[in-house]
Amino acid sequence: QVQLVQSGSELKNPGASVKVSCKASGYTFTSSAMNWVRQAPGQGLEWMGWINTNTGNPVYAQGFTGRFVFSLDTSVSTAYLQISSLKAEDTAVYYCAAYDLGDYWGQGTLVTVSS
Amino acid sequence: DIVLTQSPGTLSLSPGERATLSCRAGQNIPNNYLGWYQQKPGQAPRLLIYGASSRATGIPDRFSGSGSGTDFTLTISRLEPEDFAVYYCQQYGRARTFGQGTKVEIK
Repeated sequence: QVQLVQSGSELKNPGASVKVSCKASGYTFTSSAMNWVRQAPGQGLEWMGWINTNTGNPVYAQGFTGRFVFSLDTSVSTAYLQISSLKAEDTAVYYCAAYDLGDYWGQGTLVTVSS
Repeated sequence: DIVLTQSPGTLSLSPGERATLSCRAGQNIPNNYLGWYQQKPGQAPRLLIYGASSRATGIPDRFSGSGSGTDFTLTISRLEPEDFAVYYCQQYGRARTFGQGTKVEIK
């Protein structure tokens, strides 16, 4: 069965960087693009963009350019979201989601930015 | 970007009642590529409806979607206790965007 398993919660200081992983199993990794979605505490869902798992080409939504980087390691069927120069407003749950073979989501990774 | 506006923000209803949720797009959604999600606290969203009116696998038939172009509706015919949650629409006709959500709460 398709599973997306994300890395655990992170607590980071402002200005630091964080890298969230999303490991896929149960399907051929390159069969579906990987999307990233942010949900700030008590807020709605924001689509951050997606990465083509065949070419590695990322597409970022408005508001998620510059500090946000999507990447892949296809050898271990894993997608990554890296956020640099963290700010308090980056505190959120980050989800990976694969839509092309159905609708599959990771369990979410809470990133807390606080000094 | 296609902006999605959901209404109402909160819907207060009793179990057994009918819920009608609206999602309006700022421009036409190509191919009516509009989905509805349910999210409960501490959980990832779950797809209910795709293509504006097709139920996802395993979704009870009390959930139905309708609409086209810029106006879409999610209807829950008779609310069950487990249906009280937040609902989001998402368009995937041009990139992707989510609406801001409608909370369905127990009256």
